[in-house]
Amino acid sequence: GQNIDQPTEMTATEGAIVQINCTYQTSGFNGLFWYQQHAGEAPTFLSYNVLDGLEEKGRFSSFLSRSKGYSYLLLKELQMKDSASYLCAVKDSNYQLIWGAGTKLIIKP
Amino acid sequence: TAGITQAPTSQILAAGRSMTLRCTQDMRHNAMYWYRQDLGLGLRLIHYSNTAGTTGKGEVPDGYSVSRANTDDFPLTLASAVPSQTSVYFCASSESEGSNEQFFGPGTRLTVL
Repeated sequence: GQNIDQPTEMTATEGAIVQINCTYQTSGFNGLFWYQQHAGEAPTFLSYNVLDGLEEKGRFSSFLSRSKGYSYLLLKELQMKDSASYLCAVKDSNYQLIWGAGTKLIIKP
Repeated sequence: TAGITQAPTSQILAAGRSMTLRCTQDMRHNAMYWYRQDLGLGLRLIHYSNTAGTTGKGEVPDGYSVSRANTDDFPLTLASAVPSQTSVYFCASSESEGSNEQFFGPGTRLTVL
């Protein structure tokens, strides 16, 4: 079966760095995505990785290792507004997105 | 630009009743999707449409139907609602089925009693 695993909840301090991990087992791989979802709102796109390595976009970076079925999202200089759920998703061989349950990130002052 | 709109925002529905959730996008995207989101679970694909006039089944299609008469609209119908269909429903779109980014509507919170 297809499976995306990520921690249920993480807590970090304002101004610090946090790494959210995601492991996956899917039928085929056509890219890995990270989305941010604030409570009661729609998911919004953060990043896309299809090749191994690190993609940096401002305070956010995303890493992919296809051989290990592993990705992480790195958030630097945390701000209170970063409190949200972070969703990992993989596009499978049918080009459908398979989603993890999301990691709720709590930022404390 | 409105992007994607969904209606209603929320609804309480008696079991056995039918209901259509509306979704409209103004980005001229070819592909559209319906997901449900339940606590502790990832988004699950219900139905999708890669282009106007075509639809396909996702991971959890039972009890739902869709149509895609034109590019902009992608309604989701529950023919006879059951309590297990209580969920938050998100409509999304992308330029094409191979696009890297999906854009989501604000969601419809449905409670079936």
